[in-house]
Amino acid sequence: DAKTTQPPSMDCAEGRAANLPCNHSTISGNEYVYWYRQIHSQGPQYIIHGLKNNETNEMASLIITEDRKSSTLILPHATLRDTAVYYCIVRARDTGKLIFGQGTTLQVKP
Amino acid sequence: GAGVSQSPSNKVTEKGKDVELRCDPISGHTALYWYRQSLGQGLEFLIYFQGNSAPDKSGLPSDRFSAERTGGSVSTLTIQRTQQEDSAVYLCASSYRLAGGLTDTQYFGPGTRLTVL
Repeated sequence: DAKTTQPPSMDCAEGRAANLPCNHSTISGNEYVYWYRQIHSQGPQYIIHGLKNNETNEMASLIITEDRKSSTLILPHATLRDTAVYYCIVRARDTGKLIFGQGTTLQVKP
Repeated sequence: GAGVSQSPSNKVTEKGKDVELRCDPISGHTALYWYRQSLGQGLEFLIYFQGNSAPDKSGLPSDRFSAERTGGSVSTLTIQRTQQEDSAVYLCASSYRLAGGLTDTQYFGPGTRLTVL
């Protein structure tokens, strides 16, 4: 079973920041938080990952709480092309597989 | 650079036939994974190859499913005697292998959509 809990759906206005929450209260010390997204009919796309520090790349920012029990993915200026299912996954690097939950369906609206 | 590629992109077959799905990982990635996504379902892990180690087959749903990886690169997922419930998108991913047997971020291919009539 997935070790993460995400809201099933969210809306965001185009051009505004999209903040997607994820709860992972049972995360272990060696587990990373990964975010992927899946746009309809495509393979999952890697977005970002982190262990305990906040991370930023060209796609998004990842904010991890100090106790590491939750995190937020931030898309700073959402566009219509960001409409997708977003998956938050916790994984230790000595574990091969990713365990996907149901994710959050983000709908960006004009 | 080139990403993970999969072929065919679509496959329609009749119940009872065997099918082979191919995955070409990113060059230099020694870890390779297969997942599947059934209609309306989440992504489900099937099998994982890492270097020369024995594969993790814990996700294969039945003995009709098998996979091999030749020369540490290309992988083939074979489904024998296909059933209608095998209809799904089959996704392949690859990653670098890190020191100590750890694996890095997985990157996915576009998938093969299998339809069993």
